[in-house]
Amino acid sequence: KAGVTQTPRYLIKTRGQQVTLSCSPISGHRSVSWYQQTPGQGLQFLFEYFSETQRNKGNFPGRFSGRQFSNSRSEMNVSTLELGDSALYLCASSTRGGNYGYTFGSGTRLTVV
Amino acid sequence: GESVGLHLPTLSVQEGDNSIINCAYSNSASDYFIWYKQESGKGPQFIIDIRSNMDKRQGQRVTVLLNKTVKHLSLQIAATQPGDSAVYFCAEPNQAGTALIFGKGTTLSVSS
Repeated sequence: KAGVTQTPRYLIKTRGQQVTLSCSPISGHRSVSWYQQTPGQGLQFLFEYFSETQRNKGNFPGRFSGRQFSNSRSEMNVSTLELGDSALYLCASSTRGGNYGYTFGSGTRLTVV
Repeated sequence: GESVGLHLPTLSVQEGDNSIINCAYSNSASDYFIWYKQESGKGPQFIIDIRSNMDKRQGQRVTVLLNKTVKHLSLQIAATQPGDSAVYFCAEPNQAGTALIFGKGTTLSVSS
């Protein structure tokens, strides 16, 4: 079966702009979690969506937001981009969410200049 | 606070050697630990997990050991191959059980 698909793979944005990243989970998976990966901080949890509802949220500013659609596809948005937002953004889907049974996508590499 | 750390950022081995990657965790209440492998340009891939009621679990060429007394995890890879070259992360659930906390990662380099 198809894995977790993230688009786009690479993105370059300017400070102050906003960006939207997309994640299509494995068919049948209702939970989508987002993580930010940077060399300095490693992998950090952003938020989780389950059945179109944000169920859990990490310690990130309000500029980071997301949503989930009825087909379980999820988008995350970052507004007013800062240089420090440059990172690999990873999406993981699972059947029941929380922290079990994650399958990760290959990520979107965001560079803010 | 919650944290999962690794002892060494890099590990270099020869093909055919056995590799041991270590991880220390801080939350003694954690009941579940996972090892992930991340290859260049890809997301983390599940390798093996272990529950806190176990000391050892074996997979295909991999073994995870859990020492709850000293809060230490290790991943052993037998007969390491060039395809094992990647960054390895240990992870545990956060206290609320809502997300995973990842260690900083160990980069394994296998030379042939």
